[in-house]
Amino acid sequence: KNEVEQSPQNLTAQEGEFITINCSYSVGISALHWLQQHPGGGIVSLFMLSSGKKKHGRLIATINIQEKHSSLHITASHPRDSAVYICAVLGYGGSQGNLIFGKGTKLSVKP
Amino acid sequence: DVKVTQSSRYLVKRTGEKVFLECVQDMDHENMFWYRQDPGLGLRLIYFSYDVKMKEKGDIPEGYSVSREKKERFSLILESASTNQTSMYLCASIHGNTEAFFGQGTRLTVV
Repeated sequence: KNEVEQSPQNLTAQEGEFITINCSYSVGISALHWLQQHPGGGIVSLFMLSSGKKKHGRLIATINIQEKHSSLHITASHPRDSAVYICAVLGYGGSQGNLIFGKGTKLSVKP
Repeated sequence: DVKVTQSSRYLVKRTGEKVFLECVQDMDHENMFWYRQDPGLGLRLIYFSYDVKMKEKGDIPEGYSVSREKKERFSLILESASTNQTSMYLCASIHGNTEAFFGQGTRLTVV
């Protein structure tokens, strides 16, 4: 069993829809990252969470440490949001920054 | 604004060649990482370094080596390239449990 599980693997949405991507993990963590990867390869860190909730524009990330679960929400989705979204966790004792990655959720937003 | 730079976006090499992938960061981070990304497998850690001249094996180090002679530069070396090393290679610079920055990726094809 993977230590970090994401769902769904693939997601197609219509422009304007509210989108949720989920991440569950089985290890104790000190932090969780949500990453975005556009076609072409480069990865951008959207959020780093250790508790609660963060918001940046139309993106909201939440984490429930007790339930070992995080969600990434996109409000009013747009075709430019089409990308692969990756959840990555930093385990305890991970002061050296070694992340454990989920396999990603491929999002396609249709106009 | 560029923080992590990989020397090439695309590379084509012949089987048996020695290949160097370079990564430079400008944030004075101690921790740097090399990953490869393959469809269905996600990102897998090859090597990481938490200080100059220090290196640690990741999950899939076979066929690779690394060099970190200066803090800002972390090089991945394919000693004798093989076709199963055709992949997307990503470098990351991570500061503890806070910042995570990734390069734009190098898509390597070994023929």
